[in-house]
Amino acid sequence: DIQMTQSPSFVSASVGDRVTITCRASQGISSWLAWYQQKPGKAPKLLIYAASSLQSGVPSRFSGSGSGTDFTLTISSLQPEDFATYCCQQANSFPYTFGQGTKLEIK
Amino acid sequence: QLQLQESGPGLVKPSETLSLTCTVSGGSISSSSYYWDWMRRPPGKGLEWIGSVYYTGSTYYNPSLKSRVIISVDTSKNQFSVKLSSVTAADTAVYYCARRVGSRTFDIWGQGTMVTVSS
Repeated sequence: DIQMTQSPSFVSASVGDRVTITCRASQGISSWLAWYQQKPGKAPKLLIYAASSLQSGVPSRFSGSGSGTDFTLTISSLQPEDFATYCCQQANSFPYTFGQGTKLEIK
Repeated sequence: QLQLQESGPGLVKPSETLSLTCTVSGGSISSSSYYWDWMRRPPGKGLEWIGSVYYTGSTYYNPSLKSRVIISVDTSKNQFSVKLSSVTAADTAVYYCARRVGSRTFDIWGQGTMVTVSS
């Protein structure tokens, strides 16, 4: 299985800050990577697919980059509704696997 | 607007079979464009992909669960289901159903249902 390692596990930031979360795959996955946002008690929400493509309806302050083994999710200017947990998913091969998640907290 | 909703028992005894159903509303499960998948999140852990089914009935499973899991589809009811046998406490989790699209990602999810394995 392809292991997905996210960092950091926790990040504390303020409204208006720029935040970057990274995800590393244990082997190359080309651009087969997605990012999700999840809030407590809610279903995950797809933000980014194919490493850098913004899902319809997702604000443009979210962006993704990377290919191969190293990927980043950037939120350019944090809004109050962005405080949540973010995780990555590799879509290169079965079984699909997810990162452990990064919890974004209000400073 | 397409919606997914999980249903099934919230408590299952050890060694028994966990059975959940996902009802698709606002669209057809028989679309050739999508697969229908199950994931779970154990307490304090990350998401785990369980497997998927196509409307024709073809399936893909996580090898770690393959010996215990069956995913099926009922197009007449617009539903798909998961059965996990011989459950233990390690199968305690929030279970999600989701639609998988061409980018191999999950664009629509159910709200999730908590299943506890305990006697």
